[in-house]
Amino acid sequence: QKEVEQNSGPLSVPEGAIASLNCTYSDRGSQSFFWYRQYSGKSPELIMSIYSNGDKEDGRFTAQLNKASQYVSLLIRDSQPSDSATYLCAVNSGAGSYQLTFGKGTKLSVIP
Amino acid sequence: EPEVTQTPSHQVTQMGQEVILRCVPISNHLYFYWYRQILGQKVEFLVSFYNNEISEKSEIFDDQFSVERPDGSNFTLKIRSTKLEDSAMYFCASSIQETQYFGPGTRLLVL
Repeated sequence: QKEVEQNSGPLSVPEGAIASLNCTYSDRGSQSFFWYRQYSGKSPELIMSIYSNGDKEDGRFTAQLNKASQYVSLLIRDSQPSDSATYLCAVNSGAGSYQLTFGKGTKLSVIP
Repeated sequence: EPEVTQTPSHQVTQMGQEVILRCVPISNHLYFYWYRQILGQKVEFLVSFYNNEISEKSEIFDDQFSVERPDGSNFTLKIRSTKLEDSAMYFCASSIQETQYFGPGTRLLVL
């Protein structure tokens, strides 16, 4: 059973701070990793993908992947109230499969 | 920017009735998916579709479910005899390869 674990939160940070969201996964063979943002009652919206160990930056977002530790994280710099949402970690096991396994998500609240 | 669209946005049905949820994937995408999210729970994979056939399905996707691409643009999910526990948000997604883009979802309520 492939598992993706996230701290459900809520994680509260003040506006302008760095928010750090973490995710671990059970399938050591996993190859592709995604962060989605989900506002209440809405669909998952892709923020970033990461495939290789290390950091990947896109604007205020940085994804970090450590395959040896089976750990992926998302940093949000200069957090804004509009970043308040649930952040979903999703993992693709590869090996010809594009099926995503999602974590339950971490609810982020950015306090003005 | 191209988007995945889904209709209807909300569907209310009686237990035992058939429902069809519709999706229009992004036009140049090759892979199509259905996921569901029961209220307060995680997003769960149902099925993937490629080259006019199912490529993967989960344990949830039993004989009550079917998918079809009836024409060059639509992708449908049919639930033949709905149960109370089918009440959920159903998301369609599409991709060229691994990176999936989700539609806005259909909220299904089975009474």
